[in-house]
Amino acid sequence: QKEVEQDPGPLSVPEGAIVSLNCTYSNSAFQYFMWYRQYSRKGPELLMYTYSSGNKEDGRFTAQVDKSSKYISLFIRDSQPSDSATYLCAMSSDTYNNNDMRFGAGTRLTVKP
Amino acid sequence: GAVVSQHPSRVICKSGTSVKIECRSLDFQATTMFWYRQFPKQSLMLMATSNEGSKATYEQGVEKDKFLINHASLTLSTLTVTSAHPEDSSFYICSARDPRGGDEQFFGPGTRLTVL
Repeated sequence: QKEVEQDPGPLSVPEGAIVSLNCTYSNSAFQYFMWYRQYSRKGPELLMYTYSSGNKEDGRFTAQVDKSSKYISLFIRDSQPSDSATYLCAMSSDTYNNNDMRFGAGTRLTVKP
Repeated sequence: GAVVSQHPSRVICKSGTSVKIECRSLDFQATTMFWYRQFPKQSLMLMATSNEGSKATYEQGVEKDKFLINHASLTLSTLTVTSAHPEDSSFYICSARDPRGGDEQFFGPGTRLTVL
């Protein structure tokens, strides 16, 4: 079993839709949970990070962590064509930049105008 | 945010040759840099952690004699793929920790290596 599972998609939605991206994990030691956005032929950029369970909101983006279920989500409201990218979840045990950080495979999202 | 560059962005080489990839932190000094490999539709896999002035720490299963890492300065780390083979073809991404405020990792744009 992989430490982090993420459906690679692709996922295609119309502009304005609510997007839900998810990851599951198996290592209960993970405490920090991150979402990265990666545009084609670019490196990943950090979107959001959360510590332990709970929700975090930043503009149109909401990150949720349910440690009891080992399940994390990223919601994108009022999705825009510029949100089209691959979204990677990542998690680590110590800090949000620890060397034991593990990534999901990434979900490719296309938002159609 | 901080900027990390990689060079070259794309390289095609013949089997058996060596390829060097550079990773630079442009506007900050990075004591720690990371090298990842990403295969299509797969996760970023950490290959090694590079610390300035010391030997790199390699992840299990990564051949240190094949993937040579040199972190000679606070702004430059290099990855050399020695005697490259077609199975080494992948997307190589570096990242660097910015110690100014939180040690956030900033990723380079990646290098696409194709070994013929």
